[in-house]
Amino acid sequence: DAGVIQSPRHEVTEMGQEVTLRCKPISGHNSLFWYRQTMMRGLELLIYFNNNVPIDDSGMPEDRFSAKMPNASFSTLKIQPSEPRDSAVYFCASSSDFLASSQNHPSTDTQYFGPGTRLTVL
Amino acid sequence: AQSVTQLDSQVPVFEEAPVELRCNYSSSVSVYLFWYVQYPNQGLQLLLKYLSGSTLVKGINGFEAEFNKSQTSFHLRKPSVHISDTAEYFCAVSDRFGNEKLTFGTGTRLTIIP
Repeated sequence: DAGVIQSPRHEVTEMGQEVTLRCKPISGHNSLFWYRQTMMRGLELLIYFNNNVPIDDSGMPEDRFSAKMPNASFSTLKIQPSEPRDSAVYFCASSSDFLASSQNHPSTDTQYFGPGTRLTVL
Repeated sequence: AQSVTQLDSQVPVFEEAPVELRCNYSSSVSVYLFWYVQYPNQGLQLLLKYLSGSTLVKGINGFEAEFNKSQTSFHLRKPSVHISDTAEYFCAVSDRFGNEKLTFGTGTRLTIIP
């Protein structure tokens, strides 16, 4: 498997422009996560999906950020309009559910991360 | 809700010396624990994880970690480090009851001195 694929790897844009980041999860995984990494705030979870449905978007910083997962093999994170403080590395990760022998409901296993998109907003 | 504390933001170690990176967590429920490594300009890669069973967990690249429930710790160790171990290391926790969210620590930058 090629792993989690993200595009573009680098994006430089000007303040006010729309930015779209893309992610293809590992085939067969049913959970997808978007993270943002900055020096100041470390690694933050923005939103995650399970079976294409957004489960928790409490980490999305503001209305300028939106995420979609139209199908099991594709997700986008959009920033409109972009601002310099959005400059960061954005990671996508995917995982699959597993049923632990000691539990009656599924839980998550390892999250596999993509290489990230380095966004610079001038 | 869970939280993770990595007390050491930077750890310099001489090559071939042992290293321990500390991780403490806080949670009101039972947890799963993970260590991830991030090499420069790359994404995060799983080193090892504790889900259940033996409290001593062995991972890739010679790393191991021990889950200590009474001390709520999950320290990462390696008996002899190599230059290639230079990276940022993140401890993470998720709860056992269907919550898929990982909570990450702030990371520890391991620098190997030749």
